[in-house]
Amino acid sequence: QSALTQPASVSGSPGQSITISCTGTSRDIGAYNHVSWYQQHPGKVPKLLIYEVSERPSGVSYRFSGSKSGYTASLTISGLQALDEADYFCCAYAGGSDYWVFGGGTKLTVL
Amino acid sequence: ELQLVESGGALVQPGGSLRLSCTASGFTFSSFSMNWVRQAPGKGLEWISYVGYVGTTRYYYAGSVSGRFTISRDNAKDSLYLQMHSLRVEDTAVYYCVRDLHYGFDVWGQGTTVIVSS
Repeated sequence: QSALTQPASVSGSPGQSITISCTGTSRDIGAYNHVSWYQQHPGKVPKLLIYEVSERPSGVSYRFSGSKSGYTASLTISGLQALDEADYFCCAYAGGSDYWVFGGGTKLTVL
Repeated sequence: ELQLVESGGALVQPGGSLRLSCTASGFTFSSFSMNWVRQAPGKGLEWISYVGYVGTTRYYYAGSVSGRFTISRDNAKDSLYLQMHSLRVEDTAVYYCVRDLHYGFDVWGQGTTVIVSS
């Protein structure tokens, strides 16, 4: 069982916006603003989309945005495209003995 | 070009040992903290170890590998290592060498596969 909870799957049509949630606890998401999101296409290496809750690395599309409220972080993808179909993982720094914890991943299907 | 290249993955018997290596290029390796993250077949990502950048002495481990795995780095060789002992079937995974960016993981290697099986 993963430390962070994500929905197993989400879906949306091209052009729509979708949001993937990531729920943690007071020890991780609730304690620090060190939340990151990753995209992984089948057979590929994970790619950093968002760090520090809402920061986008250079080269990542503006269509990806992140936010946090309480113990839940969210990734929003706007203007959904077929190439967005992938697995998405959240990650949070938890300090102490856990340090970094991941969510179980969410499979995004573009209808 | 920022690049991390892992090596050392292999098929090993339960209880065995293995040493993974990762060579960095395209950035000042010593200035960055580094991590190992693994992914079991068909499963999600699991952070397993961290080592701080030059001048720090921080080493962190996930509970699942603490006491069995040791992370180290050689800044003169731009290299990161993971020494693994007492390997278990559940350690079977692709192991990624990953650069730290503000508590996120911004540069990933292509991964090296470790299979623990008798």
